[in-house]
Amino acid sequence: KAGVTQTPRYLIKTRGQQVTLSCSPISGHRSVSWYQQTPGQGLQFLFEYFSETQRNKGNFPGRFSGRQFSNSRSEMNVSTLELGDSALYLCASAGTQGSDTQYFGPGTRLTVL
Amino acid sequence: AQSVTQLGSHVSVSEGALVLLRCNYSSSVPPYLFWYVQYPNQGLQLLLKYTSAATLVKGINGFEAEFKKSETSFHLTKPSAHMSDAAEYFCAVSDTNDMRFGAGTRLTVKP
Repeated sequence: KAGVTQTPRYLIKTRGQQVTLSCSPISGHRSVSWYQQTPGQGLQFLFEYFSETQRNKGNFPGRFSGRQFSNSRSEMNVSTLELGDSALYLCASAGTQGSDTQYFGPGTRLTVL
Repeated sequence: AQSVTQLGSHVSVSEGALVLLRCNYSSSVPPYLFWYVQYPNQGLQLLLKYTSAATLVKGINGFEAEFKKSETSFHLTKPSAHMSDAAEYFCAVSDTNDMRFGAGTRLTVKP
């Protein structure tokens, strides 16, 4: 089985712009979670989608949003980018919601200038 | 609410020495516990997972972890460190709602 894929792998944006990141889960997986990883804050949970519905949400501002499509692919959008949004964004897929093992993609490295 | 504490943000060992990375958790329900490894500029890779079937869990690359309910611990060990083990290691706890990660422990292996 192919693993979790994330596109693009690297992205450079300027403050005020918006960005959309994409995640394709492992075939058959219905849960997709997003995390932000920074040196200062570590791994922080953004949100989880299961069967096109947002099930859980972390403590991030409304500028961060996401969605999941019927084929389980997920997108994450960040509007009005700030310098502090520079991070590695990781996507993880799981067969079921919640406690099942999460399998991570390689991440998207976002740099905001 | 569940949480994870990893003791020691940096651990340094010599090649061939024992690796011990500490993780303590709190959870109001019997937890699922995980160890993940992250190499530079990569995503997280699952090392092992505890699901109550056995308290000693064997993972990939020679790592294992022991679940100790009385100590609420799930420490990761490897008898003999290899240079390729240098990476960041994350402990995670999950209940039926979400997964929480520890802050990570960076392992350095000295030749």
